[in-house]
Amino acid sequence: GAGVSQSPSNKVTEKGKDVELRCDPISGHTALYWYRQSLGQGLEFLIYFQGNSAPDKSGLPSDRFSAERTGGSVSTLTIQRTQQEDSAVYLCASSLGVGQPNEKLFFGSGTQLSVL
Amino acid sequence: KQEVTQIPAALSVPEGENLVLNCSFTDSAIYNLQWFRQDPGKGLTSLLLIQSSQREQTSGRLNASLDKSSGRSTLYIAASQPGDSATYLCAVRRSSASKIIFGSGTRLSIRP
Repeated sequence: GAGVSQSPSNKVTEKGKDVELRCDPISGHTALYWYRQSLGQGLEFLIYFQGNSAPDKSGLPSDRFSAERTGGSVSTLTIQRTQQEDSAVYLCASSLGVGQPNEKLFFGSGTQLSVL
Repeated sequence: KQEVTQIPAALSVPEGENLVLNCSFTDSAIYNLQWFRQDPGKGLTSLLLIQSSQREQTSGRLNASLDKSSGRSTLYIAASQPGDSATYLCAVRRSSASKIIFGSGTRLSIRP
């Protein structure tokens, strides 16, 4: 696609429910990142994929959070048993992933998650 | 552990002024540094990327500089316009295969 696409754009869920957030990176981009942005805060790193593998998942806040990527393209971030503190904007980004120092990061518009 | 700091958190200036946004990082062993712009309710847009071997990058009215030895980068905006109002974030990458660490941003408001 022309840009990074995230769905849904908004998600309202009840505490304790599971949610899945989807990211479609730019076609041909092998690197994919998930970040979380709480209201008025900076971006918190969650996980980084190169192809289908995740060399760095150090930012996942707890074992309720997991992510996968299939076919080197679409990624899904799953949050189980959601809590109110999970409410935030979840941002996905992609890059070519060829390891060049001039490689820019491209972001989607994010999914606004609200846990009631 | 790399930490990225942006001061001030918010800045308001009248239209037409030149201004400088600051970014500091604790680990000088960086691969590259990017400046992004974020508009309310939107994702981030890359403005400028400075490679580790470079000192500055320019795009239109924007100029970003990098001083690795002091752990600092600045984003200079010339002749500011109301459309420049947004949050500006800097982000640092340690290596080609590492995560990218963001500062908390500077919220810029340009008064007409």
